[in-house]
Amino acid sequence: KNEVEQSPQNLTAQEGEFITINCSYSVGISALHWLQQHPGGGIVSLFMLSSGKKKHGRLIATINIQEKHSSLHITASHPRDSAVYICAAVSPDKLIFGTGTRLQVFP
Amino acid sequence: ETGVTQTPRHLVMGMTNKKSLKCEQHLGHNAMYWYKQSAKKPLELMFVYNFKEQTENNSVPSRFSPECPNSSHLFLHLHTLQPEDSALYLCASSQDWSLAFGELFFGEGSRLTVL
Repeated sequence: KNEVEQSPQNLTAQEGEFITINCSYSVGISALHWLQQHPGGGIVSLFMLSSGKKKHGRLIATINIQEKHSSLHITASHPRDSAVYICAAVSPDKLIFGTGTRLQVFP
Repeated sequence: ETGVTQTPRHLVMGMTNKKSLKCEQHLGHNAMYWYKQSAKKPLELMFVYNFKEQTENNSVPSRFSPECPNSSHLFLHLHTLQPEDSALYLCASSQDWSLAFGELFFGEGSRLTVL
């Protein structure tokens, strides 16, 4: 069992839908990263958070340290949001990656 | 455009070939990383360099040989690879080694196929 688990593994949505991707971890962490990987392979850092909530445009990331759980939300999803979303826990100075959630948003 | 450039983007090589992957960043970062991404598996850390010094070698076979001549450039030299080494190799950089205090910047990756 991975120390960082993501759900669901695959997700399809219609344009405009509200999306939630979950990340649970079993180790103590100091921070958690959310990353977006496009079909070509490049990875972009979306958020790094250690508590509470962060928002950037239509993306919202939350973390509950006590419950060892983080969520990434996408409001008003769009086909260009189609990508693999990866969470990575910092524990203590190494990154432990989840296997990713593949999101496809259809028009 | 993340500021981290990897070349080549695609590489096909035979098991007896010697090739190199190159990574370049001009973000002023002090830490650089090589990651391996295989299908259906989480990213695996291979090597870390901090201020040009190797700080981590994650039990990587010696057929992979990293080189960091300066804080802006990172190479991964490949020789006598196996077909199971076929994967996407990603370079990343961060301001410093402590990942709790800064984000990672990734390159586009080099997709390697070993025949």
